[in-house]
Amino acid sequence: QSVLTQPPSLSGAPGQRVTISCTGSSSNIGAGYDVHWYQQLPGTAPKLLIYGNSNRPSGVRDRFSGSKSGTSASLAITGLQAEDEADYYCQSYDSSLSGVVFGGGTKLSVL
Amino acid sequence: QLQLQESGPGLVKPSETLSLTCTVSGGSISSSNYYWGWIRRPPGKGLEWIGTIYYSGSTYYNPSLKSRVTISVDTSKNQFSLKLSSVTAADTAVYYCASVVLGYCTGGVCYNNWFDPWGQGTLVTVSS
Repeated sequence: QSVLTQPPSLSGAPGQRVTISCTGSSSNIGAGYDVHWYQQLPGTAPKLLIYGNSNRPSGVRDRFSGSKSGTSASLAITGLQAEDEADYYCQSYDSSLSGVVFGGGTKLSVL
Repeated sequence: QLQLQESGPGLVKPSETLSLTCTVSGGSISSSNYYWGWIRRPPGKGLEWIGTIYYSGSTYYNPSLKSRVTISVDTSKNQFSLKLSSVTAADTAVYYCASVVLGYCTGGVCYNNWFDPWGQGTLVTVSS
């Protein structure tokens, strides 16, 4: 059971917009700690997608955006493409555990 | 541009110690701008943070693994290492090393950190 809760799977058609949620609590996201997002394509290492809740690293398409409110955060992907089929993870810090926590991951399928 | 590469045995026997090394290139492991971390992904499961180290030797471990984990740094070789003792089949996973970009720092501790970039990962299987 992960400290940060994500839907295990999501799917969308090419061109659609999908949103992946990441729900935490008052000891992590709700305490004001930042949320970061990673994309893991099949057979590859995770890659940073969003840092500091809503910032995109250089080279990440603006089809990806992040937001945070209260005890939750979201990753939105617009103009869905086949190449977006991957596992997505949120990450934050938890003060009760005094450490880094990841969400359980969301497997995104492009229909 | 930082690059990281994991190395170590791909097969470890139950009850023994798993040992992995991460070699950093394209930058100094003694940089004050980074921590260095280990993360793993068991088959069919999600990512799990193992621990993080600063070049000074300060360490931070996942409480669920703390009793079995040791992370160390060798600045002369630009490497950091992971040791996980008393392994079982549940420790079978792809192990990744990563640089930890520091977010907000206060009182000598940094929060809101993120992992970037990651090594390619190495599969470690625990089996007799």
